[in-house]
Amino acid sequence: DAGVTQSPTHLIKTRGQQVTLRCSPKSGHDTVSWYQQALGQGPQFIFQYYEEEERQRGNFPDRFSGHQFPNYSSELNVNALLLGDSALYLCASSRRGSNYGYTFGSGTRLTVV
Amino acid sequence: KNQVEQSPQSLIILEGKNCTLQCNYTVSPFSNLRWYKQDTGRGPVSLTIMTFSENTKSNGRYTATLDADTKQSSLHITASQLSDSASYICVVSAPGDAGNMLTFGGGTRLMVKP
Repeated sequence: DAGVTQSPTHLIKTRGQQVTLRCSPKSGHDTVSWYQQALGQGPQFIFQYYEEEERQRGNFPDRFSGHQFPNYSSELNVNALLLGDSALYLCASSRRGSNYGYTFGSGTRLTVV
Repeated sequence: KNQVEQSPQSLIILEGKNCTLQCNYTVSPFSNLRWYKQDTGRGPVSLTIMTFSENTKSNGRYTATLDADTKQSSLHITASQLSDSASYICVVSAPGDAGNMLTFGGGTRLMVKP
């Protein structure tokens, strides 16, 4: 049973570029949440997707957008990249209505130069 | 504002020793509290999860406690190993209209030395 899969594992982009990160949730999970984790910090909530719609959003600018597909996989898009966007981006999947079972992927390490 | 505070921020111990990490939270309403282990550059891996009615939960050499009255939790690591070197993150979950919301602590960075 595959866990949460994220791709790519590492990425280097230039300031001003756009990036797309991908996440496949754990089998049986229908909700995907995205987090940004700066070095030495705890993860910060970006947004959550369920039934192909953004359901909750953290304190992130509109440059951060996402999408969820019918198969529950999700994408995180970041436009006009800034140096400060360099971080580990984590995807977590869960099943709506379940109190348990947040499973994290291994993350995508984004470096903006 | 929902907050999770962890202490200490970092800790160095010798292999074989025990240690205890602390977590205080102000999240309300409360759904559950989780401890995660995160190796550098990797995603968090769940160690324990406790609901309001659970006081203690163990997972091998890891034992978590929860005092829902004082809103405090601890993670005790017994007979530490070099592989225990990682960040340990306390995460508190609150129910929300759109599903549970997670509030993360800043983590405790543990280094186990031989």
